[in-house]
Amino acid sequence: SQTIHQWPATLVQPVGSPLSLECTVEGTSNPNLYWYRQAAGRGLQLLFYSVGIGQISSEVPQNLSASRPQDRQFILSSKKLLLSDSGFYLCAWNGDGQPQHFGDGTRLSIL
Amino acid sequence: QKEVEQDPGPLSVPEGAIVSLNCTYSNSAFQYFMWYRQYSRKGPELLMYTYSSGNKEDGRFTAQVDKSSKYISLFIRDSQPSDSATYLCAMSEDYGQNFVFGPGTRLSVLP
Repeated sequence: SQTIHQWPATLVQPVGSPLSLECTVEGTSNPNLYWYRQAAGRGLQLLFYSVGIGQISSEVPQNLSASRPQDRQFILSSKKLLLSDSGFYLCAWNGDGQPQHFGDGTRLSIL
Repeated sequence: QKEVEQDPGPLSVPEGAIVSLNCTYSNSAFQYFMWYRQYSRKGPELLMYTYSSGNKEDGRFTAQVDKSSKYISLFIRDSQPSDSATYLCAMSEDYGQNFVFGPGTRLSVLP
């Protein structure tokens, strides 16, 4: 069966520090991968998605970037975090023609 | 008008009650409909998914789609305290990369 792992679960970072969140999927090949940010009462905001290694599409201009160095690995990064980057970050995957499945998220607090 | 609307709640019901959760949408091209359950500090968990109009039942859960009214529902029979969570609806035209999520309804089932 397929599983998705996301880490860390919680992260507290100072303003201006770098960020790296990692997501990996097991049990499938060539998944579509997604990064979302979830704000209370506002649903899920799609940040990035990838249909293959090195292929990244950005949905919103922002202080973040994403990379897919391996087929089942998706990384969310920032060079300098802003206060507004605080939030709950979710990684998701799906196969073509299938619904999405989510990891357990990373709660990011910027101080 | 938002693409997907969902009453944020909170919705409180006694244990054993029948719960009705609903979403309305504006894009008539949506064909795939999903319901996710999200416990506090966890990622959304796929609960049910349906294609086009009609009903789908899985244990105590029934998903209903009315495309003519652009309205979907999730019914929970014999609700349990363990059903207390936030329920997100989601929709897609083609299970491609574009999934649209409702903001979620927070449900509390009181013992």
